[in-house]
Amino acid sequence: EAQVTQNPRYLITVTGKKLTVTCSQNMNHEYMSWYRQDPGLGLRQIYYSMNVEVTDKGDVPEGYKVSRKEKRNFPLILESPSPNQTSLYFCASSLTGTGAYNEQFFGPGTRLTVL
Amino acid sequence: GESVGLHLPTLSVQEGDNSIINCAYSNSASDYFIWYKQESGKGPQFIIDIRSNMDKRQGQRVTVLLNKTVKHLSLQIAATQPGDSAVYFCAEKGRGSNYKLTFGKGTLLTVNP
Repeated sequence: EAQVTQNPRYLITVTGKKLTVTCSQNMNHEYMSWYRQDPGLGLRQIYYSMNVEVTDKGDVPEGYKVSRKEKRNFPLILESPSPNQTSLYFCASSLTGTGAYNEQFFGPGTRLTVL
Repeated sequence: GESVGLHLPTLSVQEGDNSIINCAYSNSASDYFIWYKQESGKGPQFIIDIRSNMDKRQGQRVTVLLNKTVKHLSLQIAATQPGDSAVYFCAEKGRGSNYKLTFGKGTLLTVNP
């Protein structure tokens, strides 16, 4: 089954404790992206990757890191999480980007709470 | 900055009625628009899209209308069913970038049986 998977689905952590949220897709997509979803603010893009070893900042990249060493994986790293990073995180992938005929497939989400 | 917004945060309809969800965008350079559906506890799911050189596009029970004059996008759902209950987002892609999307804040659609 074609899908985007994220782990963990739920995470409660404390301020400053490094964490990684994994994202994996099995559709051989070149493009992957991370979003955060907050009440009243909608989905905002954190980082995206156009292909292996090629990443760029989205609208809210502060406090996050990403890497793209393999085509299928795009982990989101919080080196020193803070309470304002408490949010619902979504990973997405598509064939080549966000243009027409490039449907984005979203993962199930990771709910992160930073105490 | 540029933004994509929604006129109504909630919409309640009777089963079988038609639903119309609206979206205003401010970036006149956007060239591609998408509607997503997000059910409770799930990630957004693509519904239908439209390019800026089109005014209307139809799918199965859904129609998207684009009015570039007033920068307005709408999603029409025919014969709304309980399974259509979800949050609906519009998203836009700016011309010149094939890697970024700007999302609206969402409209919660509730279908009453």
